[in-house]
Amino acid sequence: GQQVMQIPQYQHVQEGEDFTTYCNSSTTLSNIQWYKQRPGGHPVFLIQLVKSGEVKKQKRLTFQFGEAKKNSSLHITATQTTDVGTYFCAGGNAGNNRKLIWGLGTSLAVNP
Amino acid sequence: NAGVTQTPKFQVLKTGQSMTLQCAQDMNHNSMYWYRQDPGMGLRLIYYSASEGTTDKGEVPNGYNVSRLNKREFSLRLESAAPSQTSVYFCASSAARASGSYNSPLHFGNGTRLTVT
Repeated sequence: GQQVMQIPQYQHVQEGEDFTTYCNSSTTLSNIQWYKQRPGGHPVFLIQLVKSGEVKKQKRLTFQFGEAKKNSSLHITATQTTDVGTYFCAGGNAGNNRKLIWGLGTSLAVNP
Repeated sequence: NAGVTQTPKFQVLKTGQSMTLQCAQDMNHNSMYWYRQDPGMGLRLIYYSASEGTTDKGEVPNGYNVSRLNKREFSLRLESAAPSQTSVYFCASSAARASGSYNSPLHFGNGTRLTVT
């Protein structure tokens, strides 16, 4: 079946260091969404990428969608303690969200 | 604007007991979802409703039933709780149409932390 692999599972960084998480799909996606979940919280939508090769930025966060629409990355520049949490990618098929395929998430810890 | 509201926030059940998790959204969204989240397993879809009056099974529907009472409300029922149903349950909604050609973002509730002993 369709799978989205997300790596790494955990990442521990010093405040100020950069962080990247990667998602790789076994099939071509129509779009990919990224969510952040703070400890004890609920997933919160960050962004959606739709176009092949798309790059979007949100302040220190940079999101990329691969040319083949099978992989994506989230890069955080100069991490802060507020970045702590688990980052999930979810790959979409054309159609409805029932077909969203979730990665298992990357948990980010930041040492002050 | 409350978004997606789930009740209760916490619940402890004994094996065999039943309960209903309530979810309501005030964003006029078409689609609603129930997910469970377990350590190391990520988010798994239990049931889905594309519109009022329709429901469909997700990845892990066994042991659960759902009702889409109206456009706003989508409830999840455990008829006979089992320890394997200990989890965090999230309700979510999206504007996605039942037969749309795009995915739209999910808006999650705060979750229900359920323990079955």
